[in-house]
Amino acid sequence: AQKVTQAQTEISVVEKEDVTLDCVYETRDTTYYLFWYKQPPSGELVFLIRRNSFDEQNEISGRYSWNFQKSTSSFNFTITASQVVDSAVYFCALSEWGYQKVTFGTGTKLQVIP
Amino acid sequence: SQTIHQWPATLVQPVGSPLSLECTVEGTSNPNLYWYRQAAGRGLQLLFYSIGIDQISSEVPQNLSASRPQDRQFILSSKKLLLSDSGFYLCAYSTGMNTEAFFGQGTRLTVV
Repeated sequence: AQKVTQAQTEISVVEKEDVTLDCVYETRDTTYYLFWYKQPPSGELVFLIRRNSFDEQNEISGRYSWNFQKSTSSFNFTITASQVVDSAVYFCALSEWGYQKVTFGTGTKLQVIP
Repeated sequence: SQTIHQWPATLVQPVGSPLSLECTVEGTSNPNLYWYRQAAGRGLQLLFYSIGIDQISSEVPQNLSASRPQDRQFILSSKKLLLSDSGFYLCAYSTGMNTEAFFGQGTRLTVV
């Protein structure tokens, strides 16, 4: 069975601080996919990144970066120089190869204080 | 371009009344379609998914059902709502296996 754990329920940071959102996953498959989504106050989930289990290279997109480590089953998300617009709930998710089902973590609510 | 439409945005329904939430996708054919529910704890629970017309899988047995009358239309229904059906319902689609999903704007359902 697949499982995603986001232990941080809520995080508050002051604007311009860096923040890392943790994601730990469990799966028996060797091929799987990991995702991050952002849910702003409006409610609509916005896709941020998709990573397959064979690609462990870290990825950077502007102020966002992702650290994928298979050895620790983690896929952490870092926001550099946070901004108020980054305030949202962030979800990590896992999909095993060949299955349509995506398992989401319970989310981390990030509040960036001006 | 691909878009997803979900309506209504908010809904207040009495206990025992029927429910119909509709979701349509534009700009792609044969999408995978999903219904999720997000309760107060913020976690997303997959309710139904469909990889084609007349191919609908239920993840959680409950008071809800789903139908896919057309390739890009996905409907969530209930014959009699319960208080516990309150929540935020999200429709989503993806265009292939293990690809990212794109979500609608959600329907906030309050059963009173």
